[in-house]
Amino acid sequence: SYELTQPPSVSVSPGQTARITCSADALPKQYAYWYQQKPGQAPVLVIYKDSERPSGIPERFSGSSSGTTVTLTISGVQAEDEADYYCQSADSSGTWVFGGGTKLTVL
Amino acid sequence: EVQLVESGGGLVQPGGSLKLSCAASGFTFSGSAMHWVRQASGKGLEWVGRIRSKANSYATAYAASVKGRFTISRDDSKNTAYLQMNSLKTEDTAVYYCTSNGIWGQGTLVTVSS
Repeated sequence: SYELTQPPSVSVSPGQTARITCSADALPKQYAYWYQQKPGQAPVLVIYKDSERPSGIPERFSGSSSGTTVTLTISGVQAEDEADYYCQSADSSGTWVFGGGTKLTVL
Repeated sequence: EVQLVESGGGLVQPGGSLKLSCAASGFTFSGSAMHWVRQASGKGLEWVGRIRSKANSYATAYAASVKGRFTISRDDSKNTAYLQMNSLKTEDTAVYYCTSNGIWGQGTLVTVSS
């Protein structure tokens, strides 16, 4: 098993770019997924397979991967993007692992 | 409409049992792996376990924290997955979600308390 490490919090002003990182030693072999969760709601998938965006997710959400780190980028952050964000990956047996979550605050 | 709907949560005493259900609609349930994820109040997401499809021998896997106490099953004829929870502990108190193919249910609250 392994761990995914995210920063506990990220703060940006409206219109700026937010970048949330997720690092682990096994990421290069497994895809990463990103979920947005607002208070009292279920998580919503915003990025899958490192950089693919599901239908209905705004284009300002993008994902990238470099070495052992994957990054969720939100360009032109809006107030409605304030939420917790979780990365998720899997080991070779299909066991899921979640990062600890990052609280995005829009100032 | 593509959706997952959990049910069966509630209050149970430590050491007790509870069975959650997850009803699926709008996608090919029989060909999909089903996962259970939980979230304690104010905490992050914790993967509980999963069951694969018939084509993958209904293989199951569990988090270490629940292995030997929780069992995941499915009934493809009813498009429903289940989470049987035995020997419940106070630390199992959480909202339990089922998820598949990026779809999440609304969650069901399980409270383990005397």
